[in-house]
Amino acid sequence: SQQGEEDPQALSIQEGENATMNCSYKTSINNLQWYRQNSGRGLVHLILIRSNEREKHSGRLRVTLDTSKKSSSLLITASRAADTASYFCATDTQGGSEKLVFGKGMKLTVNP
Amino acid sequence: KAGVTQTPRYLIKTRGQQVTLSCSPISGHRSVSWYQQTPGQGLQFLFEYFSETQRNKGNFPGRFSGRQFSNSRSEMNVSTLELGDSALYLCASSLLAGGVSWELFFGEGSRLTVL
Repeated sequence: SQQGEEDPQALSIQEGENATMNCSYKTSINNLQWYRQNSGRGLVHLILIRSNEREKHSGRLRVTLDTSKKSSSLLITASRAADTASYFCATDTQGGSEKLVFGKGMKLTVNP
Repeated sequence: KAGVTQTPRYLIKTRGQQVTLSCSPISGHRSVSWYQQTPGQGLQFLFEYFSETQRNKGNFPGRFSGRQFSNSRSEMNVSTLELGDSALYLCASSLLAGGVSWELFFGEGSRLTVL
């Protein structure tokens, strides 16, 4: 069963623009992670944000977490064609079993 | 440092057959998790092994099983294959158990097609 749900499901932008993806989840969490997947390949970890953190940066990535709204956003600034991929948020469940549950993903296309 | 290695990368089976997939984690990683990815259901957790013990199991029928060896390599087996088992099977390793408080390192996956 999905815990997180990404929005929008697909996004197409031009190179240089910023891309924002949102993730909403249902139950309280300890951590939230974002992963990227290039077509048909394995997932690559991007960033982990803990429930007591509100914002985190890594290079061109900025992640925010709002536990009161049970939502997170991933911002990619100055996008590149190489950012074209599917992006997933993944959460655990506070008090639940220790497994990471992934959303269905969001397809980002960056046009050169 | 070598990444997570999954074999085979592609395979085709027919209904009723069984299949075994292999995963070699990153050296030093003791936790291996398996996920099934399909267009309709997305990424579904199968199970996690840590130090040869199954720590967690997803909501899959008993036809899906796995094991971990003393060198942390893991295998998963699907018996009596069904058409719906066609999927990308992903293995992920992590240094410690759980994988919820630290990153998972994924392999490239094994794409199974059931005819």
